Amino acid sequence: NAGVTQTPKFQVLKTGQSMTLQCAQDMNHNSMYWYRQDPGMGLRLIYYSASEGTTDKGEVPNGYNVSRLNKREFSLRLESAAPSQTSVYFCASSEALLLSTDTQYFGPGTRLTVL
Amino acid sequence: AQTVTQSQPEMSVQEAETVTLSCTYDTSESDYYLFWYKQPPSRQMILVIRQEAYKQQNATENRFSVNFQKAAKSFSLKISDSQLGDAAMYFCAYRSGYGNKLVFGAGTILRVKS
Repeated sequence: NAGVTQTPKFQVLKTGQSMTLQCAQDMNHNSMYWYRQDPGMGLRLIYYSASEGTTDKGEVPNGYNVSRLNKREFSLRLESAAPSQTSVYFCASSEALLLSTDTQYFGPGTRLTVL
Repeated sequence: AQTVTQSQPEMSVQEAETVTLSCTYDTSESDYYLFWYKQPPSRQMILVIRQEAYKQQNATENRFSVNFQKAAKSFSLKISDSQLGDAAMYFCAYRSGYGNKLVFGAGTILRVKS
């Protein structure tokens, strides 16, 4: 049982390049999330997927797109990377966000640098 | 909008001693959940403890316990018998009972001295 896995662990991009961050969970969770973590700040929600087939914007969605490929996988795409997107990205999953007892479990993170 | 404040950027504790990390939050809701997450150097976010706002009893998990003061909107984490492996960044987080988003504080770095 690996929990939440993310690939890659590290990535360096040039301004304007595109890339996709991959996330998968094996806990049969319905809801999945993408966060970014910047120095001196807590995690901020980029996008989330309440269930397979749905996605919604979080607090900081600009410059990102997401795809809920199936129940297990939730990808985050940067179409044209900018230096302001240099950050550590975390994927998380939870049983079902509408459950009052819902708790999120996190992946190990991806450190992205945009030059 | 809800906010979470961790006023201690950094704390230190001697091994085997007790340390308390502070967290305050602002909300007008009555139904919500509070969490403490630990982020070691590996960067993985690990759930430490969870508290339901409707429960008066403070949550405990082995050496970790919380002091939940609902009226004061305070949610501190106490770590007893501190160990070297407790050294990490600790985040306090809030989730509405009606919503989906976790709101995080800025974090407190905990250093454990041997």
